[in-house]
Amino acid sequence: DAGITQSPRHKVTETGTPVTLRCHQTENHRYMYWYRQDPGHGLRLIHYSYGVKDTDKGEVSDGYSVSRSKTEDFLLTLESATSSQTSVYFCAIREVQGSNSPLHFGNGTRLTVT
Amino acid sequence: AQSVTQPDIHITVSEGASLELRCNYSYGATPYLFWYVQSPGQGLQLLLKYFSGDTLVQGIKGFEAEFKRSQSSFNLRKPSVHWSDAAEYFCAVGAGNNRKLIWGLGTSLAVNP
Repeated sequence: DAGITQSPRHKVTETGTPVTLRCHQTENHRYMYWYRQDPGHGLRLIHYSYGVKDTDKGEVSDGYSVSRSKTEDFLLTLESATSSQTSVYFCAIREVQGSNSPLHFGNGTRLTVT
Repeated sequence: AQSVTQPDIHITVSEGASLELRCNYSYGATPYLFWYVQSPGQGLQLLLKYFSGDTLVQGIKGFEAEFKRSQSSFNLRKPSVHWSDAAEYFCAVGAGNNRKLIWGLGTSLAVNP
């Protein structure tokens, strides 16, 4: 299995508070991704990174920001959490750029915003 | 527009029975195709992938999939299902901007003893 660690695994927070989720990889892969998974919506891309300090928006980026100061770490921040951001968040990594290169996923963070 | 459809939301099979999960895609060029499996509380694990060549690909856990260009399909099969195969299965297409895979909504598989 790819060396991907997401932390925390579970978190409950209140509306309006900032939250940061961490993804750490030991594979030295250049590409990293944050997805959210919700019933009826499948996997939706929030943000992705193609290198240190290089990030871009996905399809559901509003209300989220990311940072990547080191190859191994990709942080997802909810600036002011809302109930609509209650979800399971997955980090994924990819070795090379190319649509034939598979993603490898972490085990997810379950976030509940009350 | 590019899309992936998994027509079956839920499927229930008996242990030992054969399985086929359907995946249809919409994409103008030759796609790169993936099947992933997700067990409860876990992340997604790659089962198999198709890029080119032999249209029947073998994956892990005894799964295989067949690419049929004429039908725009990439159906996943297993000859004999085990109780441990109960999970959510996702089909995905790598197309165009290759940093953003297009995902199906998944098929939930239940296995009866």
